[in-house]
Amino acid sequence: EADIYQTPRYLVIGTGKKITLECSQTMGHDKMYWYQQDPGMELHLIHYSYGVNSTEKGDLSSESTVSRIRTEHFPLTLESARPSHTSQYLCASKGYRGRLDTQYFGPGTRLTVL
Amino acid sequence: ILNVEQSPQSLHVQEGDSTNFTCSFPSSNFYALHWYRWETAKSPEALFVMTLNGDEKKKGRISATLNTKEGYSYLYIKGSQPEDSATYLCAFAMNYGGSQGNLIFGKGTKLSVKP
Repeated sequence: EADIYQTPRYLVIGTGKKITLECSQTMGHDKMYWYQQDPGMELHLIHYSYGVNSTEKGDLSSESTVSRIRTEHFPLTLESARPSHTSQYLCASKGYRGRLDTQYFGPGTRLTVL
Repeated sequence: ILNVEQSPQSLHVQEGDSTNFTCSFPSSNFYALHWYRWETAKSPEALFVMTLNGDEKKKGRISATLNTKEGYSYLYIKGSQPEDSATYLCAFAMNYGGSQGNLIFGKGTKLSVKP
């Protein structure tokens, strides 16, 4: 079973607050990802990282930022939360173990901004 | 814009019924097709990764097929059980210079199995 953790699982917060969603994995994977999912919609990639000090924006534009200072840790930050940021955020990681790598997902953070 | 379509959107079956879902994806620049199972309040769990046209994978009562030439994959569940209730996601990975590109997900098929 994959070991990838996200905290908090649920967050209700007021507009304008700064928030950080935590994601950690204990598998030593280099590649990590953040996805956003609105109800009834697809998972959309918003950020990814190839390793320490590497961050890239995904296909879906997002006002969030990420950092990768340690291999195991890939936090996502919103400087000033807005109701439009209400969504589910999932973190994933993938290791370099051959051609048929797959992504391992955390349980997600469900964010509500009032 | 790359699009991955899944059908049906939702499915309600009785315990013991067999069922199947479809995933349609671009047939060009194909690298891999992934299937995930996502139970409510849990993490999405990888079921299969398929790369070759004609691939068939099986895991217990669940199996999947792949047609890269026409751009579709089927997921079959034989003799559905209540514990199979979940959302089944497929994700397409493009060939990005010989390597697997980022995953592009469909909206999923939500399966409910009634006892």
